[in-house]
Amino acid sequence: EVQLVESGGGLVQPGRSLTLSCTASGFTFGDYAVSWFRQAPGKGLEWIGIFKSKTYDGAIQYAASVKGRFTISRDDSKSIAFLQMSSLETEDTAVYYCSRGGVVVQQTVFDYWGQGILVTVSP
Amino acid sequence: EIVLTQSPATLSLSPGERATLSCRASQSISVHLAWYQQKPGQAPRLLIYDASNRATGIPARFSGSGSGTDFTLTISSLEPEDFAVYYCQQRSNWPLTFGGGTKVEIK
Repeated sequence: EVQLVESGGGLVQPGRSLTLSCTASGFTFGDYAVSWFRQAPGKGLEWIGIFKSKTYDGAIQYAASVKGRFTISRDDSKSIAFLQMSSLETEDTAVYYCSRGGVVVQQTVFDYWGQGILVTVSP
Repeated sequence: EIVLTQSPATLSLSPGERATLSCRASQSISVHLAWYQQKPGQAPRLLIYDASNRATGIPARFSGSGSGTDFTLTISSLEPEDFAVYYCQQRSNWPLTFGGGTKVEIK
């Protein structure tokens, strides 16, 4: 069974850093992209970034709203991905999801998602 | 950035009725559009990719159509579990973007 589990969320002060983890199981992690999304309270979905599989092209892309502040990394040997968030702002408060990118060759369709984890940025 | 506009914002229907949801892109995205369903407190669920391809395990009552800038998600006969929010997502250009969502609620 394919599973993605986020961890590391919680309350953090503005300007501080936080790292989320996404632990995958039930599939060959290295063959798929991993992407991060977020959803502010009562709002819609926002794509944050993607790290394509190294077996494809290993490309990394970010949304403009987080570029330079957030970094996605992955350790295929441990089937885990990370979202390092720095200089956090109150507007970064959201539920964060990791997702598997696959289905199509470009790995930009997301067929399995974690349950989500809440990050609250507040003084 | 490609902007996706979903309409209507809310759709009030009864079980058994047909639901038609629209997603319009600010520029052509070929068929590079996906639809997701999200229920309260849950992660999104992939329904349709590349405009008209049902994802694994998705019931046949869900169908997608369109190309270029205009896309439609149709639920042929609403089941009680279909009342949720639906999002479209384009993968034609970076950044990947979502529409604002359509809430399908029970009338």
